[in-house]
Amino acid sequence: EADIYQTPRYLVIGTGKKITLECSQTMGHDKMYWYQQDPGMELHLIHYSYGVNSTEKGDLSSESTVSRIRTEHFPLTLESARPSHTSQYLCASSDPSGTGRRGELFFGEGSRLTVL
Amino acid sequence: GEDVEQSLFLSVREGDSSVINCTYTDSSSTYLYWYKQEPGAGLQLLTYIFSNMDMKQDQRLTVLLNKKDKHLSLRIADTQTGDSAIYFCAESAHTGGFKTIFGAGTRLFVKA
Repeated sequence: EADIYQTPRYLVIGTGKKITLECSQTMGHDKMYWYQQDPGMELHLIHYSYGVNSTEKGDLSSESTVSRIRTEHFPLTLESARPSHTSQYLCASSDPSGTGRRGELFFGEGSRLTVL
Repeated sequence: GEDVEQSLFLSVREGDSSVINCTYTDSSSTYLYWYKQEPGAGLQLLTYIFSNMDMKQDQRLTVLLNKKDKHLSLRIADTQTGDSAIYFCAESAHTGGFKTIFGAGTRLFVKA
């Protein structure tokens, strides 16, 4: 069973607000990821991290930023939200060197962001 | 670059078999996966197949891999209304550090 948690599950905010989406996992996984899922269902990798103090941009350009100060925590921040940021954001983790040797991704439940 | 393609919609009647197809381009794929996403939730690994296998069966699920044609399929026998979800095909390669490439997802509708 996956132990990866995202908060908030739902967030409705006004344009220009700063928001942080939280993601935490208790599996000790080194690799963590943020995906943006558009209404057409497709997943786009926007950020990933291979460990503490490691962050990389993904395949889809995003105005959001991430940090990885602790292994278990990988928050995503938008400094000034806009309606174009409205989407579902999914956090995931993996540990190819351990029980997840097959490269399985463990996903959180997602954070659905609506910017008015 | 690597790409994974799958049809977007499939509709079946309850009790029938569902077959969801996927093609991929990365010939160095190590693992191929099927993830399931139910409404309002994240993705969950449904099943996976190692690239040196042709078939894997797990209860109602059968995965077929044609490595020559880079074609992967998921068959769900005796499809139930609870199987209605989005199914994502994905692949990863050891050489790519297990970076996972997802398809766009197939939305399965099961009619009672």
